[in-house]
Amino acid sequence: AQSVTQPDIHITVSEGASLELRCNYSYGATPYLFWYVQSPGQGLQLLLKYFSGDTLVQGIKGFEAEFKRSQSSFNLRKPSVHWSDAAEYFCAMNTGTASKLTFGTGTRLQVTL
Amino acid sequence: DTGVSQNPRHKITKRGQNVTFRCDPISEHNRLYWYRQTLGQGPEFLTYFQNEAQLEKSRLLSDRFSAERPKGSFSTLEIQRTEQGDSAMYLCASSSEGRGTGHHFGPGTRLTVT
Repeated sequence: AQSVTQPDIHITVSEGASLELRCNYSYGATPYLFWYVQSPGQGLQLLLKYFSGDTLVQGIKGFEAEFKRSQSSFNLRKPSVHWSDAAEYFCAMNTGTASKLTFGTGTRLQVTL
Repeated sequence: DTGVSQNPRHKITKRGQNVTFRCDPISEHNRLYWYRQTLGQGPEFLTYFQNEAQLEKSRLLSDRFSAERPKGSFSTLEIQRTEQGDSAMYLCASSSEGRGTGHHFGPGTRLTVT
């Protein structure tokens, strides 16, 4: 079955520290992969996406993600976290022509000052 | 690009009542999706339209749920005879064609069934 796993439910980092959020997918081929951020009261905002080419993709707000086929992973990183990055982060993939998304359960990021 | 809008933002209803939500997608997007998100979970796909045609429905979408997209513009999601288990955030998203375009999400409608 196709699925996305985000092993960390909740992560706390200090402002200015680096961040890595984990995402693993299960699919027989290479899916299209996405990271979204959801702040309280806000809709989901697309941070970045990967579907081919360079395995290191750059996104908005200083985020990047690296696709590793051998590990079926698509981890999100940021070198220096800001307090405004506190939010819920979702990894998602699509595999079919309809482009519907399959989401992970999300990782809640807390940033301490 | 005015974004995806959803109305109402919040809805409280009593069990057994019918509710209807509206989604206005980005005007140039021909694909429209509905998702449901419960606490502590990621959004789950409900249904999808390309223009006015409803092309896919999830098994999550029971007979009490119906969605329409007349004229391929806005969409409505109706839940009949609501149950407490229907309490969730209902998210609408739109996209242009192609798997790699990504979804643009609306702010969602939070439904509480008492």
